[in-house]
Amino acid sequence: DAGITQSPRHKVTETGTPVTLRCHQTENHRYMYWYRQDPGHGLRLIHYSYGVKDTDKGEVSDGYSVSRSKTEDFLLTLESATSSQTSVYFCAITRSSLTRNTEAFFGQGTRLTVV
Amino acid sequence: QQQVKQSPQSLIVQKGGISIINCAYENTAFDYFPWYQQFPGKGPALLIAIRPDVSEKKEGRFTISFNKSAKQFSLHIMDSQPGDSATYFCAASGGSARQLTFGSGTQLTVLP
Repeated sequence: DAGITQSPRHKVTETGTPVTLRCHQTENHRYMYWYRQDPGHGLRLIHYSYGVKDTDKGEVSDGYSVSRSKTEDFLLTLESATSSQTSVYFCAITRSSLTRNTEAFFGQGTRLTVV
Repeated sequence: QQQVKQSPQSLIVQKGGISIINCAYENTAFDYFPWYQQFPGKGPALLIAIRPDVSEKKEGRFTISFNKSAKQFSLHIMDSQPGDSATYFCAASGGSARQLTFGSGTQLTVLP
C-alpha cells in the first residue's frame, strides 16, 4: 500500500461547512496527489504537491485548497462544501520502479457525502 | 474535455474467455500508459503498464497492446476468471509531475 493512510475513511457533512481530508505517507515520497472519483468520470486530479509548501492545481481544483507543511502529510480542504463535492477522494504518491517507470500508488479512499 | 477515452463502460465475459478493454488518447506528450484494477471499497491498484517505445507487453494473463500512430492502447485479459471481476481504468501520464489522466473505467464481470 506504499504506506499511505487516508483519514477519515467516511464523512457526512452539511452544505456550507468546511471539511479537511488528510493523507499521510510513511515513505518520504516527494510527489503526492489528490484525486476524486465519480461514476462515468474515472479519477480526476484535484491538486498535487511536489514538495513541502509546493503545490499546483489539477483538472478540477475549483472549491478545493491543499497544504503540505510536512513531507508526510498532504491536506485537502473544502472551504465550503457543496453537494457537487460528494465523491470518493483518493490520495496517491508516485515512486520509481526498478524498470525506471514512475508508478502511482493509491490510498484506500475517503467517501465524502455532502447533504 | 476527456483526454483519455475508454470503452466499453461495462463488459460481461464467461469464465475462460478473453476480456478486451480499449482506450484512446489525444495528448502526444503522454509517455507512460498504466492500467489500474479497482475492487469495491479499495483504491486503484497498478496492474500493468507500457511505454510507447514498445507495441506489446505481457504479464501473466494480462497483455497491453499499444498503437502509437493511432494513439490507442488496449488491455487483454486471457482466460478470464471470476476473481478478475472489478473496475479497470486506463491512464496516461507525462511531464515532470507524473500526474495521471484516467479513462472513465470499465466494469468487468466474469461469469462462473
